[in-house]
Amino acid sequence: AIQMTQSPSSLSASVGDRVTIICRTSQAIRYDLAWFQQKPGKAPKLLIYAASTLQSGVPSRFSGSGSGTDFTLTISGLQPEDFATYYCLQDYNYPWTFGQGTKVEIK
Amino acid sequence: EVQLVESGGGLVKPGGSLRLSCAASGFTLSTYSMNWVRQAPGKGLEWVSSISSSSIYIYYADSVKGRFTISRDNAKNSLFLQMNSLRAEDTAVYYCVGTIDYWGQGTLVTVSS
Repeated sequence: AIQMTQSPSSLSASVGDRVTIICRTSQAIRYDLAWFQQKPGKAPKLLIYAASTLQSGVPSRFSGSGSGTDFTLTISGLQPEDFATYYCLQDYNYPWTFGQGTKVEIK
Repeated sequence: EVQLVESGGGLVKPGGSLRLSCAASGFTLSTYSMNWVRQAPGKGLEWVSSISSSSIYIYYADSVKGRFTISRDNAKNSLFLQMNSLRAEDTAVYYCVGTIDYWGQGTLVTVSS
């Protein structure tokens, strides 16, 4: 199974900050990576798929980049509603695997 | 509006069985691969199983292989997960997921004596 290493596990940031979350995979997965946002008690919400394609309705302050084994989620100008936990997912092959999650907290 | 609504969760003893259902509306389930993803209390997301649109391709996580069975009824726009030989470590919220886009609200399965 493809191993996912997501970092950091948590971070503290202020409104307006630029935040970067990294996901590394144990083998190359082309662009087959998605990013999700999850708030407490809610289902995950798809933000980005195919590494860099913004899901419809997701604010443009969210962006994704990368290919192969190294991927990045960037939030440019953190908003109060962005404080949540973020997960990466590889859907390149089965078993699908998720990153461990990054909790973005208010500084 | 797309809605996926899970049902069938609850409290079950170790070794017991449960059948989860997922009813889709505003969404033609037959054209999509479907998945189950779970989340243990306070933990991260774990993929459980996937089924292709015509049920030809089916995949399971090693942790549930041989105990869980995924199935679908496209005519009824429904997805199922039969869970047998349940263990404490299967305790989680189970989400029905259409491709990767559409998520239900989840149903809680608690395995405890």
